[in-house]
Amino acid sequence: AQSVTQLDSQVPVFEEAPVELRCNYSSSVSVYLFWYVQYPNQGLQLLLKYLSGSTLVKGINGFEAEFNKSQTSFHLRKPSVHISDTAEYFCAVRMISSGSARQLTFGSGTQLTVLP
Amino acid sequence: KAGVTQTPRYLIKTRGQQVTLSCSPISGHRSVSWYQQTPGQGLQFLFEYFSETQRNKGNFPGRFSGRQFSNSRSEMNVSTLELGDSALYLCASSLGAPGVPRGYNEQFFGPGTRLTVL
Repeated sequence: AQSVTQLDSQVPVFEEAPVELRCNYSSSVSVYLFWYVQYPNQGLQLLLKYLSGSTLVKGINGFEAEFNKSQTSFHLRKPSVHISDTAEYFCAVRMISSGSARQLTFGSGTQLTVLP
Repeated sequence: KAGVTQTPRYLIKTRGQQVTLSCSPISGHRSVSWYQQTPGQGLQFLFEYFSETQRNKGNFPGRFSGRQFSNSRSEMNVSTLELGDSALYLCASSLGAPGVPRGYNEQFFGPGTRLTVL
C-alpha cells in the first residue's frame, strides 16, 4: 500500500516571499510523484510530475519540486509567490507496477494563502 | 481541444434518493477515473474504466457504481443517498494505453460535480 503525508494543512506567506510545501510518501514499490493545484470551485490542475531522471522537476507557474528517494520526500517550492498562487495544493503518488491501475493516492492537501 | 466536462456542476438531493453524474473525457481519451473529495476524507479514488470495463475499484460501498459507454463517456451512480455522500465528485480522463502497463498516462481532471445531500 502507498500513502502520502502533507505535513502542513495551512501555509500563510507574504507576497513575494519564498514558500515550501512539504510532502512525504511511503510505498513498497517505486512510484510516480505529482503535485496538483486546486482553485476554488475548480478541478485539479497538474503543476508538475516526477517520473524518472533528474530529481529536480520544474513545473508551471514558477513552481519546482525535488524528489529525494532516501527521505521519500517530494517538496514543492516557489522562490517568490503571488496573490494568485492562493489555492489548495495536493501531492499525489501512483504505483509503478505491471498492472494497469492508474489511480492516484492523494495527500490531505495544503492550503496556501498569500497575504498582501 | 476541449477539456473534461462534467454535468451537472451542482446537484441537490435528499437522503434515500439516487443520483447519476456524467463525465465526457477529452477527445481520444479512453480511460476515465472517478474521485470523491470531501473535507474530512480528502480525495479518494472511486473507480476507473477503460474500454467500457471497470479496471480498478476503490474502497466504497456497492451503492456507488459506474459505467462507461462505447464513446468513452462515463456515468457514475449513487443509490440510496446518505448525508455523508455530500462531496465534490471529480472525473479524470487519460489516454489509457493498456499495452504499456508500466507507462505513464497523465490524468486530466474535470471541474467536478458538487453534490449536496439534505
